[in-house]
Amino acid sequence: QKEVEQNSGPLSVPEGAIASLNCTYSDRVSQSFFWYRQYSGKSPELIMSIYSNGDKEDGRFTAQLNKASQYVSLLIRDSQPSDSATYLCAVNKSGGSYIPTFGRGTSLIVHP
Amino acid sequence: DADVTQTPRNRITKTGKRIMLECSQTKGHDRMYWYRQDPGLGLRLIYYSFDVKDINKGEISDGYSVSRQAQAKFSLSLESAIPNQTALYFCATSDSYRVPGELFFGEGSRLTVL
Repeated sequence: QKEVEQNSGPLSVPEGAIASLNCTYSDRVSQSFFWYRQYSGKSPELIMSIYSNGDKEDGRFTAQLNKASQYVSLLIRDSQPSDSATYLCAVNKSGGSYIPTFGRGTSLIVHP
Repeated sequence: DADVTQTPRNRITKTGKRIMLECSQTKGHDRMYWYRQDPGLGLRLIYYSFDVKDINKGEISDGYSVSRQAQAKFSLSLESAIPNQTALYFCATSDSYRVPGELFFGEGSRLTVL
């Protein structure tokens, strides 16, 4: 089992819809969780971090964490074509080194 | 100017050549990382450094070496490049005094080994 798993997609949603991106992880004692956005040919950019169970909202983005089920998700409300990108989930390993492990990313396409 | 600068941005080289990718940062972060990205494989960690005197291997360090010349500079070397090292390479930084897992990436260096 890979340490951090994401569906590669592509996930295609119409403009204005809610895009839901999911990530599961294997290390039960992972502590920190991150979502990065990567446009084609560009570098990853941090968009959300979450550390506690529940929801964390930032503008149109909501990160959801469920440690018991070992998943973290990212919701994008009112999706725009400019949200079309690959979204990378990253999880900090236990042990204190804080080296994030990345999933392979989910490609999101928002069509007009 | 970018906070994390990588040079060169693009490089084409031949098998067996020595290649150095350089990274410098103005963010004042203590931690620096080198990742490679291949289509469908995500980001994989090559080496990381928590300070100038600290160098650690990542999951795919074979065939690579690094040097942390200063807090702001971290170089990646391929002593004898081979075609399967063709990839997009990213340098990243983080601040252990804030949230160490939050990474800030350079713009990437695309390497092609013929």
